[in-house]
Amino acid sequence: DAGVIQSPRHEVTEMGQEVTLRCKPISGHNSLFWYRQTMMRGLELLIYFNNNVPIDDSGMPEDRFSAKMPNASFSTLKIQPSEPRDSAVYFCASAPFQATDTQYFGPGTRLTVL
Amino acid sequence: AQSVTQLGSHVSVSEGALVLLRCNYSSSVPPYLFWYVQYPNQGLQLLLKYTTGATLVKGINGFEAEFKKSETSFHLTKPSAHMSDAAEYFCAVTNFNKFYFGSGTKLNVKP
Repeated sequence: DAGVIQSPRHEVTEMGQEVTLRCKPISGHNSLFWYRQTMMRGLELLIYFNNNVPIDDSGMPEDRFSAKMPNASFSTLKIQPSEPRDSAVYFCASAPFQATDTQYFGPGTRLTVL
Repeated sequence: AQSVTQLGSHVSVSEGALVLLRCNYSSSVPPYLFWYVQYPNQGLQLLLKYTTGATLVKGINGFEAEFKKSETSFHLTKPSAHMSDAAEYFCAVTNFNKFYFGSGTKLNVKP
C-alpha cells in the first residue's frame, strides 16, 4: 500500500512568491495533519483536519499560511507571500480516525525561500 | 493544558550499552503517549504507543517504554544499543483533538 504522498519533495522559491505544498493521505484515513520542522523550533503542528474539516488551526503562523482539504484524498498547504523564515521541512501525516491514533508521516517537502 | 518535555537534546551511548531517553508530560486527563523515531531525511515513524492497560509497552526494534502516572513519565529504553538506532526520537502526547510533540532527542551511537 502506498503511504502518505507529498509533492514536491524539494521546492526552492524567491521571497514573495506563492508556494503550494500537496499531500495525499493514506486511503481510508480520516485525519490529516500538517507539520513544520526547523532546527530552531523543532516539530510544530500547523493544522489538523478530521473528515476534511479543520479541527485545530491554532498552529498556523499567520494569515500568509492557508490549508485546504477539498476531499478525503487531497490537501494543500499554501504560503502567500513566502518569506525566508518559512524555509523548513513540511510534513503531512494521516491517521485512521483521530488525533489519538497512530500517525503515518510522508517523506516531507524541503522548502527553501531565498 | 498538555505539554511534553524531553530531557537532553543529545544523548550519546556506546554500541551495546543501555539506551534511556527521558520524557515527561503534563496532562489534565489520562493521556495517550507515543514515541516516534526519525531517521535522517525521512518522516517520523511510530516506535510504540500507550493508550490504556499494561503500563509497559513494547515497540519495534527492541525498544520499550513504561508509563508511570505518579511520575508523569514515559521514558524510552533499549537494553543494548545498535549503530542503526542512531536517529532522532520524539515523545508525543495527545488527548483527542490536541497533539503535542516534544523537542526531540538525537541519539548518537558510538562504535
